[in-house]
Amino acid sequence: EIVLTQSPGTLSLSPGERATLSCRASQSVSSSYLAWYQQKPGQAPRLLIYGASSRATGIPDRFSGSGSETDFTLTISRLEPEDFAVYYCQQYGSSRGYTFGQGTKLEIK
Amino acid sequence: EVQLVESGGDLIQPGGSLRLSCAASGFTFSSYSMNWVRQAPGKGLEWVSYISSSSSTIYYADSVKGRFTISRDNAKNSLYLQMNSLRDEDTAVYYCAREYSSSSGRRSFDSWGQGTLVTVSS
Repeated sequence: EIVLTQSPGTLSLSPGERATLSCRASQSVSSSYLAWYQQKPGQAPRLLIYGASSRATGIPDRFSGSGSETDFTLTISRLEPEDFAVYYCQQYGSSRGYTFGQGTKLEIK
Repeated sequence: EVQLVESGGDLIQPGGSLRLSCAASGFTFSSYSMNWVRQAPGKGLEWVSYISSSSSTIYYADSVKGRFTISRDNAKNSLYLQMNSLRDEDTAVYYCAREYSSSSGRRSFDSWGQGTLVTVSS
């Protein structure tokens, strides 16, 4: 089973700053199967990035994804107040189903 | 507009059974694979189960294998999760999520319901 490890656990930044979130896989993951989600308190997760680098419908271009094999990154170029939330990476493992990372909490400094 | 509405969550004793439902609307339900994902209070997301559009392929997380059964009724635009032998650690908000699979093979969950709370406690 592929394990996804996200870092840091908590990231404290100010609006306007750049955020870099990491997702590391225990084995190589197809980029096609790597996605990122945002979750705010009391809400369902929202798809941000799929295929490691493609933005989902309606997602602002300040969000970008990159990476390959075992190292993937979600970057938020310039933080807006509404971006402070928890972010999860996810991978698809065929017959093993899906796995999520443990999440990175992005909080206001 | 795509809508997924879960129901069936409740307070249930350990060892008990519960059936969750997810009503889908705003899209051709029979064309999409579906999933259940759960989130324990204050914890992260945990994928639970997958079912293909025709029900021909089903996967489960190891933590629920043998206890939970996923199913769907395409005529009723509905997804189900039958949960048996419930344990304290099954306490969570349960979300249904639509799988998006692109022509190039990229996969993700592009629509989610609001969730239904299952509490397992004596």
